[in-house]
Amino acid sequence: GENVEQHPSTLSVQEGDSAVIKCTYSDSASNYFPWYKQELGKGPQLIIDIRSNVGEKKDQRIAVTLNKTAKHFSLHITETQPEDSAVYFCAAPGSNEKLTFGTGTRLTIIP
Amino acid sequence: DSGVTQTPKHLITATGQRVTLRCSPRSGDLSVYWYQQSLDQGLQFLIQYYNGEERAKGNILERFSAQQFPDLHSELNLSSLELGDSALYFCASSVEWAGPTGNTIYFGEGSWLTVV
Repeated sequence: GENVEQHPSTLSVQEGDSAVIKCTYSDSASNYFPWYKQELGKGPQLIIDIRSNVGEKKDQRIAVTLNKTAKHFSLHITETQPEDSAVYFCAAPGSNEKLTFGTGTRLTIIP
Repeated sequence: DSGVTQTPKHLITATGQRVTLRCSPRSGDLSVYWYQQSLDQGLQFLIQYYNGEERAKGNILERFSAQQFPDLHSELNLSSLELGDSALYFCASSVEWAGPTGNTIYFGEGSWLTVV
């Protein structure tokens, strides 16, 4: 099955700086890579996703890059704001029809 | 609001008891997934149903079972509860199954289970 590793587990950045979270996956059949944001006491919410036919996707301050050869993808948040503080999860589907999540990154934005 | 509805939001019960968590998927979604999230842990996949049939199984304990009904709502049954079963249980749904090509899955707000 799919194995997804996510780093770092915690990340603190100054407000206004950029944050980068990285994930690797094992199943070469995966070609869809979503990122979820989970705020305290809430369910994970999809913030951006990428499919393997593109190498990068951007949505305002959030971007995701994908390297299929190396089997890794990254979330980039620029001009961070206090409301970006949350736990972020990456995921990959693999060939066994279930979405496997990374272990999460707790991002703290320091005012 | 993702459109996925879970009840109850909070539940406190004693060890050895049985509880049922309920999930209504987004309108039009045929797949339902159940995930468990313990304190400071990631999202552990439990089970997936597609249009009433079990589609994939994760690390679901034998004490746990689930089903998806003809109206597509799903229930997760947890029995002989232990202290370690205390966790957030999330339901998620998608239009179809999330195979390698992927379909976006949408999560509910979760049911927080506390076993005392």
